[in-house]
Amino acid sequence: ILNVEQSPQSLHVQEGDSTNFTCSFPSSNFYALHWYRWETAKSPEALFVMTLNGDEKKKGRISATLNTKEGYSYLYIKGSQPEDSATYLCAFPYDYKLSFGAGTTVTVRA
Amino acid sequence: GAGVSQSPSNKVTEKGKDVELRCDPISGHTALYWYRQSLGQGLEFLIYFQGNSAPDKSGLPSDRFSAERTGGSVSTLTIQRTQQEDSAVYLCASSLARGRSYGYTFGSGTRLTVV
Repeated sequence: ILNVEQSPQSLHVQEGDSTNFTCSFPSSNFYALHWYRWETAKSPEALFVMTLNGDEKKKGRISATLNTKEGYSYLYIKGSQPEDSATYLCAFPYDYKLSFGAGTTVTVRA
Repeated sequence: GAGVSQSPSNKVTEKGKDVELRCDPISGHTALYWYRQSLGQGLEFLIYFQGNSAPDKSGLPSDRFSAERTGGSVSTLTIQRTQQEDSAVYLCASSLARGRSYGYTFGSGTRLTVV
């Protein structure tokens, strides 16, 4: 099992504010980095699969960047809305399965 | 089906009983994974199946846990002689193929409570 770390563990954001958080992963033998969003009482939903150093992906107000050389990825939420409240998980593949970080739980206050 | 289907959604069982959890993956997805999340913990890998290959069972926590996948489709995770530490949300996921760049589609999970 690989060490995938996410920080912070949780954060509270005022509606309309932007925020970001980090995923750290092993920088050697990089293949891909996955991001998922897990809302309460729902199933985890794939956001991005990132494969190239310097890659930037965007989905609505959510975007992610990737630095494979130093082993980190940032996920950004611009203009947070209550519906963005969820746990955001990053995952690193090893042996064709994913090792998940513990997640960053985002709570957006109206 | 349109998504990954898991049943039951909730299961309360007495310690020592056996339970079966079912997963019906997306049609055409050759890879199927089982994970669980215990209270306060992250997602823990249990087992994965790829086509007709032997499953990767490296994450199963004890020999009380077993899983099978019939006909390359439906999978059943069986826990024998359940213990309280088995209480968790059990998630099934499938992906188009085995590969590090294929995203997972998750089911809604089975919440298992052992009393």
